[in-house]
Amino acid sequence: GAGVSQSPSNKVTEKGKDVELRCDPISGHTALYWYRQSLGQGLEFLIYFQGNSAPDKSGLPSDRFSAERTGGSVSTLTIQRTQQEDSAVYLCASSPAREQGVDTFGSGTRLTVV
Amino acid sequence: AQTVTQSQPEMSVQEAETVTLSCTYDTSENNYYLFWYKQPPSRQMILVIRQEAYKQQNATENRFSVNFQKAAKSFSLKISDSQLGDTAMYFCAFTITTSGTYKYIFGTGTRLKVLA
Repeated sequence: GAGVSQSPSNKVTEKGKDVELRCDPISGHTALYWYRQSLGQGLEFLIYFQGNSAPDKSGLPSDRFSAERTGGSVSTLTIQRTQQEDSAVYLCASSPAREQGVDTFGSGTRLTVV
Repeated sequence: AQTVTQSQPEMSVQEAETVTLSCTYDTSENNYYLFWYKQPPSRQMILVIRQEAYKQQNATENRFSVNFQKAAKSFSLKISDSQLGDTAMYFCAFTITTSGTYKYIFGTGTRLKVLA
């Protein structure tokens, strides 16, 4: 596709349930990032994938959060046993190289935990 | 600490006027990049302008320009001839590089409204 695609656009889930958020990066982009944007806040780094290298998971807030990237393309962010504080917009970005500032962001998934 | 401070939660400007959004940051790194991103209601982050910290010349991009004061760790964004389409959240950010990868550090944003 022409841009980074994220699905679903909006997700409402009950506290304690697991959710999966999907990111389809731009074809050929080797780098992929996940960010979390809580209400009234800037973006908080979660995890970074670069090619076949081990991902940088240093931003994941707890062991309930995990992410994978299959075949160097599509990525899934999984949140287990969701809590109300997990409510946020989850943004994905991809980049063709290590050059900074050429990232393309998706429109995010707004997660609401009730 | 690596932080970005945007002290103006909300601003408004009349169409065709000029507005300046302020940003200060703190980092121990010597070489880094600074950015302003725009986030319209669609939620997609759109790069407005980028500045490399080792370059003294202020970056410009059409109606957008920055005032980069490295010693003061200040990076303000000036929008000239404001247009209704400039209405959005604006985030200031810089990147830190660790182990060959980079991460953004974002401020909390300034909500800009352009008035007709």
